[in-house]
Amino acid sequence: AQKITQTQPGMFVQEKEAVTLDCTYDTSDQSYGLFWYKQPSSGEMIFLIYQGSYDEQNATEGRYSLNFQKARKSANLVISASQLGDSAMYFCAMREEEGTSYGKLTFGQGTILTVHP
Amino acid sequence: SAVISQKPSRDICQRGTSLTIQCQVDSQVTMMFWYRQQPGQSLTLIATANQGSEATYESGFVIDKFPISRPNLTFSTLTVSNMSPEDSSIYLCSGGQGPYNEQFFGPGTRLTVL
Repeated sequence: AQKITQTQPGMFVQEKEAVTLDCTYDTSDQSYGLFWYKQPSSGEMIFLIYQGSYDEQNATEGRYSLNFQKARKSANLVISASQLGDSAMYFCAMREEEGTSYGKLTFGQGTILTVHP
Repeated sequence: SAVISQKPSRDICQRGTSLTIQCQVDSQVTMMFWYRQQPGQSLTLIATANQGSEATYESGFVIDKFPISRPNLTFSTLTVSNMSPEDSSIYLCSGGQGPYNEQFFGPGTRLTVL
């Protein structure tokens, strides 16, 4: 069974500084995808970034980058130049990308990020 | 990409009643997924819904409590049956895969059971 662990229930960062949100995972699959989603208080799930298990380079999307260390089974999200609007819950998730369970997402516990002015 | 809508966006229901949540996708998707998010918690997969076959339920979720329909490739419903206050959650449907491999989510249905 897949498992995602986010060990930081809450994180604080000063506006314009960078912050790293931790995520470790456990799977026996060879093919999987790792995601980060942002969930503001409105409840919608906003996709931030994706990393495939076979991707050799770390994913980047604007201010978001994913520090993917496959051997350590970690996929940390780095947010650069934090903005007040980044304050939200952040979820790390893993998607099974092979077999009959294709598409199922397993989520971590989430990290609440608060950006201070 | 896919845009997913859900109805209702929120509801307050009485114990013992049932609520059906609708999920509409603006393009055809093979698989749709229903998730539950209890207050302050993470998302938990309830079931996977494929068109033309019975939904596949995750451990801890049963069809009698959460019957699902998937009549075509753009629509699905989840019914929360015989509700209790413990069913108060956000219910989200998901499906599709975008150009960045993202999986799309509906805006969620916020359910409160009194």
